[in-house]
Amino acid sequence: GDSVTQMEGPVTLSEEAFLTINCTYTATGYPSLFWYVQYPGEGLQLLLKATKADDKGSNKGFEATYRKETTSFHLEKGSVQVSDSAVYFCALSDPMIKAAGNKLTFGGGTRVLVKP
Amino acid sequence: DTAVSQTPKYLVTQMGNDKSIKCEQNLGHDTMYWYKQDSKKFLKIMFSYNNKELIINETVPNRFSPKSPDKAHLNLHINSLELGDSAVYFCASSGQPNNSPLHFGNGTRLTVT
Repeated sequence: GDSVTQMEGPVTLSEEAFLTINCTYTATGYPSLFWYVQYPGEGLQLLLKATKADDKGSNKGFEATYRKETTSFHLEKGSVQVSDSAVYFCALSDPMIKAAGNKLTFGGGTRVLVKP
Repeated sequence: DTAVSQTPKYLVTQMGNDKSIKCEQNLGHDTMYWYKQDSKKFLKIMFSYNNKELIINETVPNRFSPKSPDKAHLNLHINSLELGDSAVYFCASSGQPNNSPLHFGNGTRLTVT
C-alpha cells in the first residue's frame, strides 16, 4: 500500500537558519504530493503541492521538488522565522485509487521549533 | 466565514457514552472526510463521502457512524466510547479535480475518561 515517511522531530533551529525536512514515499501509481502545516491548536493548512515529476511547489518561502527517481519531496526554507514553528506533514494522493475525492496518505509529521 | 467548521472544539466524556461531532463546509465542495489524529500526531483517514454517498470506509469500528444529510455536512456519531477513542478528529473537504487539496477544520479534541 501507499506510505509516506518523513524525518522524526522535533527539529530545533535558530531564526534565519536553513530548514530541510526529508520526505520519501511509496505509491502504486503516479501520485500528487503535498506539504501541509499545522499550527498549534489549528487544523492542517495546505503549504504547497506538486503533481508531476520535477514540479516545484513553493509558498511563503518554502519549496519542495517532486523527485520521481528518488521518490522524494523534501521541504526546504532558506531562512526560518519564529512564526514557522509548527508541525509539517508530507502527504500523497494516489491516482490509482479510483474513488472520487482525494484520499490522502500522511507521513507522521515533523515538529519544527524556531527559537529567536 | 469559516470554510470548514466543526463543533464542539473540545469534548470530554466517560467511557460507554454516545457522542456526536458536527461538521459543515461552505466551500461548495462535493467531498468530505473525517480524519483521526492520535497523540503522536499521526493522521489516518476514517471516512469519505461524495455527494452524501460513502466512498471510503477505512477499517473503522462499527461504533463510528458517519452521517451526511447533505453535501455540505458530514457528522460523526460514536457509540459506546472507549479510552482508545481519545484523539483529535478533523473534518475536511475537497473539490474537483480528484487531486485537489483538502481544506481542514480546526479539529475536535475528544477525551474519554
